[in-house]
Amino acid sequence: DTGVSQNPRHKITKRGQNVTFRCDPISEHNRLYWYRQTLGQGPEFLTYFQNEAQLEKSRLLSDRFSAERPKGSFSTLEIQRTEQGDSAMYLCASSRTSGMSFGPGTRLTVT
Amino acid sequence: GENVEQHPSTLSVQEGDSAVIKCTYSDSASNYFPWYKQELGKGPQLIIDIRSNVGEKKDQRIAVTLNKTAKHFSLHITETQPEDSAVYFCAASQGGSEKLVFGKGTKLTVNP
Repeated sequence: DTGVSQNPRHKITKRGQNVTFRCDPISEHNRLYWYRQTLGQGPEFLTYFQNEAQLEKSRLLSDRFSAERPKGSFSTLEIQRTEQGDSAMYLCASSRTSGMSFGPGTRLTVT
Repeated sequence: GENVEQHPSTLSVQEGDSAVIKCTYSDSASNYFPWYKQELGKGPQLIIDIRSNVGEKKDQRIAVTLNKTAKHFSLHITETQPEDSAVYFCAASQGGSEKLVFGKGTKLTVNP
């Protein structure tokens, strides 16, 4: 059983640079989610796709953040002009109905 | 919006003892309550969930109870083992929204 995969696992970037993360959900899952987790906190919802349609976005998702799921399979999350406050673990999850399965996350460090 | 409070933030038990983690939620429209276990360096793993039409659910050593009137739900782990050591998160979501709102987590340590 292949779970949710995320790449890269770690990313170190300088402030002001753009970064892009990729998520590959479980193959039969049509729902895909992005969450952000900072140290000592629970995951915070960023956005949700059903197939290729982005159906819900958090206010946390500023205009520097954009997510896509062009063919309803993998998804990308791009952060433009990164800030130190963007340093966090970015988690992707997928589901078919309820019961999200999370990937291992991409840890972003902005220096 | 929904707000989920989780207690305690840390919990230390002896192997074989029971552990209880409690959460409260604010939005009476919330109807789905999962629990996740997160080990160091890994993503959260769903361990059990409950819907608002059920008061209790059990899976081997893990059980979850829900009190809709009081808007709180609890995770019970019996006969704890060292491999149960992890951070546990509760969450809640409303019908019609796919957004899960998480608590801040409980770090459980099971001492051998």
